[in-house]
Amino acid sequence: SYELTQPLAVSVALGQTARITCGGNNIGGKNVHWYQQKPGQAPVLVIYRDDHRPSGIPDRFSGSNSGNTATLTISRAQAGDEAVYYCQVWDRNTWVFGGGTKLTVL
Amino acid sequence: QVQLVQSGAEVKKPGASVKVSCRASGYNFTDYYIHWVRQAPGQGLEWMGWINPNSGGTNDAQNFQGRVTVTRDTSISTAYMVLGRLRSDDTAIYYCSRSYHNTDYYSALDSWGQGTLVTVSS
Repeated sequence: SYELTQPLAVSVALGQTARITCGGNNIGGKNVHWYQQKPGQAPVLVIYRDDHRPSGIPDRFSGSNSGNTATLTISRAQAGDEAVYYCQVWDRNTWVFGGGTKLTVL
Repeated sequence: QVQLVQSGAEVKKPGASVKVSCRASGYNFTDYYIHWVRQAPGQGLEWMGWINPNSGGTNDAQNFQGRVTVTRDTSISTAYMVLGRLRSDDTAIYYCSRSYHNTDYYSALDSWGQGTLVTVSS
């Protein structure tokens, strides 16, 4: 089965840029989606198909995907961006999630 | 606006079954697949399966094959997930969500229910 690897935790200073990676075998050939989950809440889609933002998601959120790594980038990080972020791909008619990365804004 | 509203929390004994519902509104129910995703306490997201509300076709994750049944009632725009032979490690929040299709291109889960806590305890 396909596996996605994310770092357990990433920290960023307030106002700086955070990058969260998602590793997978030739993930660049797949569509990668990213979700934000705050404590006690359901996940929210923040990036779809590598680099597209749903309506209502700030343009501080962006994504890229190439080779074996996809990256979620959060610019000008705010306290409200503290959350767990999950990447997700489709693989042979199954949905696969990464283990999640806890983003801390210092 | 799109809404997925799930049924309330459940407490079940080991070996029992649980049925969780997910009522959709704000869009044409049969146009989107409904997925079930669970999250054990302090853990990550685990995909369980989907149903195509239009055809009734389903696909389940290998980890759950034989224990999970997903159905729908198009007359009331509601999907259901039944998990059988419950164990203590099935204690989790169960979410429904939707995708436009079951292909790579359309695999984003763009709306989620509020979650249903299922507790399995003797």
